[in-house]
Amino acid sequence: GNSVTQMEGPVTLSEEAFLTINCTYTATGYPSLFWYVQYPGEGLQLLLKATKADDKGSNKGFEATYRKETTSFHLEKGSVQVSDSAVYFCALTGTSGTYKYIFGTGTRLKVLA
Amino acid sequence: NAGVMQNPRHLVRRRGQEARLRCSPMKGHSHVYWYRQLPEEGLKFMVYLQKENIIDESGMPKERFSAEFPKEGPSILRIQQVVRGDSAAYFCASSPDRGLADTQYFGPGTRLTVL
Repeated sequence: GNSVTQMEGPVTLSEEAFLTINCTYTATGYPSLFWYVQYPGEGLQLLLKATKADDKGSNKGFEATYRKETTSFHLEKGSVQVSDSAVYFCALTGTSGTYKYIFGTGTRLKVLA
Repeated sequence: NAGVMQNPRHLVRRRGQEARLRCSPMKGHSHVYWYRQLPEEGLKFMVYLQKENIIDESGMPKERFSAEFPKEGPSILRIQQVVRGDSAAYFCASSPDRGLADTQYFGPGTRLTVL
């Protein structure tokens, strides 16, 4: 079945460092891919998404490119801020209109001033 | 434009009691999804509902759990005779349609603690 694998955290970076959080997936067909962010004590917020191969999702300085050849959707940001500290979830929704989101286990990011 | 609303935000119950979690979808959204997040884990799909219909409850435990989305009012996730293992964050999401790649918008969650 479909699955998502994220790099384990926590990831600790200094402010202005470059961020990469790896996400790979297993799926039949062409799923849509998402990154959600969860700040402490809050729900999930959509950060970005991509719906087909080679699409690049971007928002608030974060980017991720849908790579079908490597089945990956790695999250990157050139310069992180303390306010980016949160848990990041990679997710996919199935092909053929499937509505069940499959989430990775989340990667906790801590950015130090 | 209010987002998905859930209440209560925190709920404490003793073993054997009932828990009722409420979710009001975004305006104009007719599809509701419930997910459960156990500590240090990702979210797991539980159930998908439309108004007055349960479309898919394959992720919901067969015993003690039920969900509804009435014609009027919020969607309700009900857990009867709670046990400690039910302690988790329960998130509701909504979408305007069930089309391919339709984005789901999540509420802030209800954190259930069973003593």
